[in-house]
Amino acid sequence: DAGITQSPRHKVTETGTPVTLRCHQTENHRYMYWYRQDPGHGLRLIHYSYGVKDTDKGEVSDGYSVSRSKTEDFLLTLESATSSQTSVYFCAISESTTFQGYEQYFGPGTRLTVT
Amino acid sequence: GQSLEQPSEVTAVEGAIVQINCTYQTSGFYGLSWYQQHDGGAPTFLSYNALDGLEETGRFSSFLSRSDSYGYLLLQELQMKDSASYFCAVPLGSARQLTFGSGTQLTVLP
Repeated sequence: DAGITQSPRHKVTETGTPVTLRCHQTENHRYMYWYRQDPGHGLRLIHYSYGVKDTDKGEVSDGYSVSRSKTEDFLLTLESATSSQTSVYFCAISESTTFQGYEQYFGPGTRLTVT
Repeated sequence: GQSLEQPSEVTAVEGAIVQINCTYQTSGFYGLSWYQQHDGGAPTFLSYNALDGLEETGRFSSFLSRSDSYGYLLLQELQMKDSASYFCAVPLGSARQLTFGSGTQLTVLP
């Protein structure tokens, strides 16, 4: 299994509070991604990173920010949590540089509940 | 925009063969991936087709037709442990970020 951990694994927070989720990898992979998963929507990309300090927005980035100061860590911050951000959050990594073979490895997920 | 369509649910019996279809509409296309996710677990990679045709990996096979914007995942000799959600996905963009279908819930009955 790829070495990806996420913390915390579960969190309950109140509306309006800031929340930071951490993704840590030991694979030294270049690309890192944050997805959220909600019933009926599959996985949707929030933000991604293609190197240290290089990040970009995904499909559902409103209300989220990210930072990557080291290759191994990718942080996702909810500046002011809302109930619509209650979800399961997955981090993923990839080192694929071509489209001939492509694979992402996923972390165990963080279940976030905003009350 | 990008969209991937797959059935929401499929049910089959143990030992049978099941096919999960995926049609896609994307601006740019490089290949089609399949991921498996058990309840409460993380998605795990199953296969990736960059070229037309069938790729076989044990009991699982994946097919791609680029001209039809269509692919499928074929699961043979179904086992109870195959009960899971299956997602098709396409990598796009400079960072190969994935766009996923909504997933197909496969239930294998004894």
